[in-house]
Amino acid sequence: KNQVEQSPQSLIILEGKNCTLQCNYTVSPFSNLRWYKQDTGRGPVSLTIMTFSENTKSNGRYTATLDADTKQSSLHITASQLSDSASYICVVSAAIGGFKTIFGAGTRLFVKA
Amino acid sequence: NAGVTQTPKFQVLKTGQSMTLQCAQDMNHNSMYWYRQDPGMGLRLIYYSASEGTTDKGEVPNGYNVSRLNKREFSLRLESAAPSQTSVYFCASSRGPLDEQYFGPGTRLTVT
Repeated sequence: KNQVEQSPQSLIILEGKNCTLQCNYTVSPFSNLRWYKQDTGRGPVSLTIMTFSENTKSNGRYTATLDADTKQSSLHITASQLSDSASYICVVSAAIGGFKTIFGAGTRLFVKA
Repeated sequence: NAGVTQTPKFQVLKTGQSMTLQCAQDMNHNSMYWYRQDPGMGLRLIYYSASEGTTDKGEVPNGYNVSRLNKREFSLRLESAAPSQTSVYFCASSRGPLDEQYFGPGTRLTVT
């Protein structure tokens, strides 16, 4: 079964600290993996996208890593800010008889002053 | 560039009523999607349109119909609303089926 599992479910950190969010997937055959940020009451916005051959990709203070062998990805947030408080969603796409995109349930991050 | 727009933003329906959620994109994207998002769950695909003139069922299509009116517009219709359809609905578009998706602001629907 194609699945995307994220951990932790929620996380509270102090402003200025770093954190890492995890994503494990069983989607196959893999096409790409994306991380989205979703602010409360808004639609998700893409942070990074990685294909099979990419190990890491950065977008400002956000760095995503991908290990296609173990089917794991992580999103590292450096020097967190209050505006980083949001849900972070891991999304995996596969080419299965067309295409299939599976969304994880997300990690809810709270950054406190 | 407005990106992806959705109307309405909020809606309350009684069980059995019908309504259409509207979505439009101005990015000349080929693919468009309708998702629902429920608390504690990931976004679930209701229907998608890989290109103008085509529509396909997603993970949770029961109780919904869609129309790809033209390249810009993709509507979602609830023929007979049920309380289980209370959710936040997101429309998205992308250049192609595997490309980055751009989301609208969502429609919060409550069915009583």
